[in-house]
Amino acid sequence: GAVVSQHPSRVICKSGTSVKIECRSLDFQATTMFWYRQFPKQSLMLMATSNEGSKATYEQGVEKDKFLINHASLTLSTLTVTSAHPEDSSFYICSARDLGEGGNQPQHFGDGTRLSIL
Amino acid sequence: DQQVKQNSPSLSVQEGRISILNCDYTNSMFDYFLWYKKYPAEGPTFLISISSIKDKNEDGRFTVFLNKSAKHLSLHIVPSQPGDSAVYFCAARYQGGKLIFGQGTELSVKP
Repeated sequence: GAVVSQHPSRVICKSGTSVKIECRSLDFQATTMFWYRQFPKQSLMLMATSNEGSKATYEQGVEKDKFLINHASLTLSTLTVTSAHPEDSSFYICSARDLGEGGNQPQHFGDGTRLSIL
Repeated sequence: DQQVKQNSPSLSVQEGRISILNCDYTNSMFDYFLWYKKYPAEGPTFLISISSIKDKNEDGRFTVFLNKSAKHLSLHIVPSQPGDSAVYFCAARYQGGKLIFGQGTELSVKP
């Protein structure tokens, strides 16, 4: 089945550091990938839609300058948390959909990145 | 404003019995509904989905029912197995593929 790889799985860094998270579709091409954030015991909240070759679209309340998204190829999207602060600590998850199999294929998720800002 | 709600944060079921997980939604524009299973520190794994034009979809031990008039869907797992213990998320699709997730229900299947 479709596989989405996310790296790194865990990051611990000091306040003010910028952190880059990679999301790759391993066996299919994804023109669109999605970035979610999950706080403990809460739902996954969509942050932004990453579009290959164009700008990402952000959900209401998500700072685009804080969470930079680049979708440079059909298999890779990156999320950079710029100048991270403790309140940015969270579980970040990406997903992708294999449009080559038709419009109703489900999103497949990476294993997430646990970001901890000290 | 929570458009997708899972009102039961947890559910405990005996092995071999049926597990029923419920989900309510408010937006009639959702065109597809999905159920995902999630373990801690991992991403969600797709289980089963249903189009808004259907009322039932079955895949092995998993069946999803959709009641559009009530804006309610449910996931039935039968028979339940200890390996089914996880957090289950209901998700609704809109606007070109975006998903809105419910809060999740933690299922515990006891041997």
